[in-house]
Amino acid sequence: QAVVTQEPSLTVSPGGTVTLTCGSSTGAVTSGHYPYWFQQKPGQAPRTLIYDTSNKHSWTPARFSGSLLGGKAALTLSGAQPEDEAEYYCFIYSYSVASYWVFGGGTKLTVL
Amino acid sequence: QVQLVQSGAEVKKPGASVKVSCKASGYTFTGYYMHWVRQAPGQGLEWMGWINPNSGGTNCAHKFQGRVTMTWDMSISTAYMELTRLRSDDTAVYYCARDKGWDYWGQGTLVTVSS
Repeated sequence: QAVVTQEPSLTVSPGGTVTLTCGSSTGAVTSGHYPYWFQQKPGQAPRTLIYDTSNKHSWTPARFSGSLLGGKAALTLSGAQPEDEAEYYCFIYSYSVASYWVFGGGTKLTVL
Repeated sequence: QVQLVQSGAEVKKPGASVKVSCKASGYTFTGYYMHWVRQAPGQGLEWMGWINPNSGGTNCAHKFQGRVTMTWDMSISTAYMELTRLRSDDTAVYYCARDKGWDYWGQGTLVTVSS
């Protein structure tokens, strides 16, 4: 089973830009992994920001964008706001003997 | 509007089973797979599996095979996830979430396993 890796923690200044990445132990993350990005704040259910690499929901702030970068999925936040402080999880589809989905360990993003 | 409403918190003893429900409304229940995800206290998210309410087909993560059963009742647009042979490390919040963008999630159901 794939192990999905994320930065454990990152810090960004208000108004700054930060990129979170999501790698897989099985090789490069591609669009075929349909990468998702979820945001979770304490005590709340997760909220989906990005699906299928770069697609946004109607509630996804424009300052968030998803892409593929150097063999990884990436979530870029441009113009960080205090309310963006949260845990961010990537999630990818994978296949070996059977198909499955797997979460990364999460990135704690601090806006400071 | 689309809603996924889950059943209430449960307290179970080790070795018992728990069945969590997820009632869907506001959309065609059979049009979307339903996923189940859990989160242990202070830990990350863990994918458990999905059910196709149109066919009844299921797929679950390897670690849960043999312990998880996902079912559905089309007549009441409700998906169920049953976890058997509970252990203390199954203590978690269990979520259902609609496929195709994962745009809607249930509110979560806390399952506590304690003797």
